[in-house]
Amino acid sequence: EAQVTQNPRYLITVTGKKLTVTCSQNMNHEYMSWYRQDPGLGLRQIYYSMNVEVTDKGDVPEGYKVSRKEKRNFPLILESPSPNQTSLYFCASSAFEGPNTEAFFGQGTRLTVV
Amino acid sequence: SQKIEQNSEALNIQEGKTATLTCNYTNYSPAYLQWYRQDPGRGPVFLLLIRENEKEKRKERLKVTFDTTLKQSLFHITASQPADSATYLCALTADFNKFYFGSGTKLNVKP
Repeated sequence: EAQVTQNPRYLITVTGKKLTVTCSQNMNHEYMSWYRQDPGLGLRQIYYSMNVEVTDKGDVPEGYKVSRKEKRNFPLILESPSPNQTSLYFCASSAFEGPNTEAFFGQGTRLTVV
Repeated sequence: SQKIEQNSEALNIQEGKTATLTCNYTNYSPAYLQWYRQDPGRGPVFLLLIRENEKEKRKERLKVTFDTTLKQSLFHITASQPADSATYLCALTADFNKFYFGSGTKLNVKP
């Protein structure tokens, strides 16, 4: 079954404690991206990757890092989380060039930073 | 950056009627515009994509229009059903590789 898998689904952490949210897709997609979703603000793109070792900033990259060492994985790293990063996070992937094709989303990770 | 506006107020309609949702965008016109459905606590699910040179696209009970002059897309669900109740997001691409999403419009279809 084609899918994008995120882990964990729920995470409560304390300010400043480094964390990683994993994302994996089994569709051999080139394009992967991370979003955060906040009430009234919609989905905002954090980082995206066109292929292995190719990443770029989205609209709200501050406080986040990503890496793309393998095609299937695209982890999101928060080096020093702060309460304003409390949000619902989604990973997505799509084939070829992202804008031309549909994006497949993961089930989401609800992060709370206290 | 690109700005997308969707009606933040929920749309309440009766079963069997046509629901029409609006997506307006600013700045330059995108080459593609997409519509997604999102259920509470779930990731968005792709519905339709329309290109700038297409005026209209249909898929079963769904229809999307794209007016680059008005900078607007309309999303229609005909013969709506309670199962269509969800939040609908429009998304477009700008700067070639970046995605921008609207905040979505919640649709409530009452039996």
